[in-house]
Amino acid sequence: DSGVTQTPKHLITATGQRVTLRCSPRSGDLSVYWYQQSLDQGLQFLIQYYNGEERAKGNILERFSAQQFPDLHSELNLSSLELGDSALYFCASSPSSNTEAFFGQGTRLTVV
Amino acid sequence: EDQVTQSPEALRLQEGESSSLNCSYTVSGLRGLFWYRQDPGKGPEFLFTLYSAGEEKEKERLKATLTKKESFLHITAPKPEDSATYLCAVQAANSNSGYALNFGKGTSLLVTP
Repeated sequence: DSGVTQTPKHLITATGQRVTLRCSPRSGDLSVYWYQQSLDQGLQFLIQYYNGEERAKGNILERFSAQQFPDLHSELNLSSLELGDSALYFCASSPSSNTEAFFGQGTRLTVV
Repeated sequence: EDQVTQSPEALRLQEGESSSLNCSYTVSGLRGLFWYRQDPGKGPEFLFTLYSAGEEKEKERLKATLTKKESFLHITAPKPEDSATYLCAVQAANSNSGYALNFGKGTSLLVTP
């Protein structure tokens, strides 16, 4: 158990809908990362927050957004969902930005 | 652009048959190279961080090494429970993605009894 908690574990929704994925980082970790993993693309970096502020952006679509709250948990919002958004979404946390990150068990999103 | 290439894509070993996985990287200033293990449907599990050429780290049957262009994950006398996908990732010193990890596509290892 990495100490990073993601909910829900599974999510099935229809195209055009909006969903929210939640992540609780390890105790004391200030940095949260979101990654998307699909079969053909591998693990792709989406966005990073550090102590409540956005630190870096990867290939995150405009339909996707995230935030980190004062208690350091983070949420990833996915809207206007398309079939191609079906993937595993992972959250990872680390004590600071330049140390190893520990991953949660992921949320499997299926868009039908 | 930073690139991470892992080879082979898949590897099948007999129990006890040692081998190495390769991770070649191109990065504008390496801050760190990371190895993770991922089981199907699970999150990546952290194994090692390497920071400079010549550095080596070991954990049980695994040993990771680093040169200026590549890293190797050596698996000595593997057991079936070592079957997993092994992911390599680099963290660049100068990147528009901050401190995010740039992952390779992984090597899928199967160890048979």
